Amino acid sequence: NAGVTQTPKFQVLKTGQSMTLQCAQDMNHEYMSWYRQDPGMGLRLIHYSVGAGITDQGEVPNGYNVSRSTTEDFPLRLLSAAPSQTSVYFCASTSETGELFFGEGSRLTVL
Amino acid sequence: GNSVTQMEGPVTLSEEAFLTINCTYTATGYPSLFWYVQYPGEGLQLLLKATKADDKGSNKGFEATYRKETTSFHLEKGSVQVSDSAVYFCALSNQAGTALIFGKGTTLSVSS
Repeated sequence: NAGVTQTPKFQVLKTGQSMTLQCAQDMNHEYMSWYRQDPGMGLRLIHYSVGAGITDQGEVPNGYNVSRSTTEDFPLRLLSAAPSQTSVYFCASTSETGELFFGEGSRLTVL
Repeated sequence: GNSVTQMEGPVTLSEEAFLTINCTYTATGYPSLFWYVQYPGEGLQLLLKATKADDKGSNKGFEATYRKETTSFHLEKGSVQVSDSAVYFCALSNQAGTALIFGKGTTLSVSS
């Protein structure tokens, strides 16, 4: 069972570069979300989606874009990376019972 | 909006000790409540949940009871093991029920 798959697992960027974190789920869940995890801050919600074509901002959306063209995929885009975006990013999909299934995380370093 | 506060760590215990990690919440309505666990180098996984007042979630010897009167969802285990060493997150659903709001996490270290 694949569940939620995130790529890449590790990435180093220079300030100003752009990149996309990929996320795919095979559980046919309507809800998906992106979080960032920073020391002492827990997980903070960046963006979420309640279905294909529908996205909304979470707690810390600035500097990130998302789209949801299919139920399976929910990529997170950094248009111009900044050192403050150095973090571990987790994608999740939500089951009908409200349980979140997380990917393994993507560790991003912005120099 | 909904929010959750959990006790700060780290919590350091000896094997077989009793564990309590406090979690309180502020919410509109009646959100579902969750405890997630993150083992070193891994993503988060659901430990237990409760969907309404007075529900008790339990798994792997851990328990938590949804207390509406005290807006709390404290995590307990009667006898911890070294393998329980991890970061524990309390969470609740957001107002729209579309995502979860997490606490800052509590690191538990258990020594033999």
